[in-house]
Amino acid sequence: QIQLVQSGPELKKPGESLKISCKASGYTFTDYAMQWVKQAPGKGLQYMGWINTQTGKPTYADDFKERFVFSLETSASTAYLQINNLKNEDTATYFCARTEGYWGQGVMVTVSS
Amino acid sequence: DIRMTQSPASLSASLGETVNIECLASEDIYSDLAWYQQKPGKSPQLLIYNANSLQNGVPSRFSGSGSGTQYSLKINSLQSEDVATYFCQQYNNYPLTFGSGTKLEIK
Repeated sequence: QIQLVQSGPELKKPGESLKISCKASGYTFTDYAMQWVKQAPGKGLQYMGWINTQTGKPTYADDFKERFVFSLETSASTAYLQINNLKNEDTATYFCARTEGYWGQGVMVTVSS
Repeated sequence: DIRMTQSPASLSASLGETVNIECLASEDIYSDLAWYQQKPGKSPQLLIYNANSLQNGVPSRFSGSGSGTQYSLKINSLQSEDVATYFCQQYNNYPLTFGSGTKLEIK
């Protein structure tokens, strides 16, 4: 069955970087783009952008054009979200998602000094 | 960017009641609209796509309707397991955008 399995929770300090993974299984990875969505604690869903899994080209929503990097390891059917120079406001759960309603379980990221 | 205005922000209803949640798009999204259900600590689950198509496995008490800029999600015969937050999402244009959510509780 189709699954998106994300890496585990992260606790980081401001200024540090992190890289979250999203491993896809049950379908051909390059047939579907991968989306990324942020959900701050107690808040709604914020679309971060997507990456073309055939070309590797990322597209970022306006709020995520600085410090955020989408990448792929196609041979491992894995997408990555890297966040550089972490800020307190990056504290959130980050989801990867594919079309047709498939979402990862989310990664809780806490940024605190 | 297309703005999705969702209402109400919260809703309290009795078991067995029918509830409606609305989403208004800032421009025509040509029925490119999905509804999601999210329970605490879980990822969103797709209920409805293309404004009115029921996702496989979703109970038939959920239905979607609308066109143009106005869309709604209807839940018939409310069950206790329907307690959740519901979001609409447009996928007609990038960036994809979500409504702000409706928190549904049982009265």
